[in-house]
Amino acid sequence: EAGVTQFPSHSVIEKGQTVTLRCDPISGHDNLYWYRRVMGKEIKFLLHFVKESKQDESGMPNNRFLAERTGGTYSTLKVQPAELEDSGVYFCASSPVERGGTDTQYFGPGTRLTVL
Amino acid sequence: AQKVTQAQTEISVVEKEDVTLDCVYETRDTTYYLFWYKQPPSGELVFLIRRNSFDEQNEISGRYSWNFQKSTSSFNFTITASQVVDSAVYFCALNEYNTDKLIFGTGTRLQVFP
Repeated sequence: EAGVTQFPSHSVIEKGQTVTLRCDPISGHDNLYWYRRVMGKEIKFLLHFVKESKQDESGMPNNRFLAERTGGTYSTLKVQPAELEDSGVYFCASSPVERGGTDTQYFGPGTRLTVL
Repeated sequence: AQKVTQAQTEISVVEKEDVTLDCVYETRDTTYYLFWYKQPPSGELVFLIRRNSFDEQNEISGRYSWNFQKSTSSFNFTITASQVVDSAVYFCALNEYNTDKLIFGTGTRLQVFP
């Protein structure tokens, strides 16, 4: 069974540009999460989808970040326009059941975003 | 408030030594889950263990063991006879029952030297 995949693995952009990160969850997993780790700090929750609906987006830092999950399969996270402080590693995770709070979240390899 | 503290930023050991990674958590909930994840140099977060708040039994899996103590709000992870392949960043995380997000500690970087 394929794990969570993320694309690209690494992105380098200039301040003010737009970047779109993609996450493909484990097949059949209804829950999809985005997290971010800024250099040296803890991994922080951004948002949670249940199928195509946003269940919790309390961790989204500001309106420059837009997450979508059309059709309840893969998800994209767009940063527009990117700022220096957006640099970090963006992780995606998925878990299998509708109420994901008690289930194990399986993570992808992350996308390392560098904003110059 | 929920919080996870991993006070050890970096630990270095020589192969075959035992090493314990500390994790202390804070929560007001009586039902919660604790996790350990491993992040090897390749970058992905690998799930190691999940423990619920009602199960304080220690767990052993090969060279790995976990000591969960509610009295001290700790969920420590011990690697016995460490190997170079154990070199990674290890994260402890908390999930309260009524939320769906993981609260992570800052991670402990373990370096095992041959």
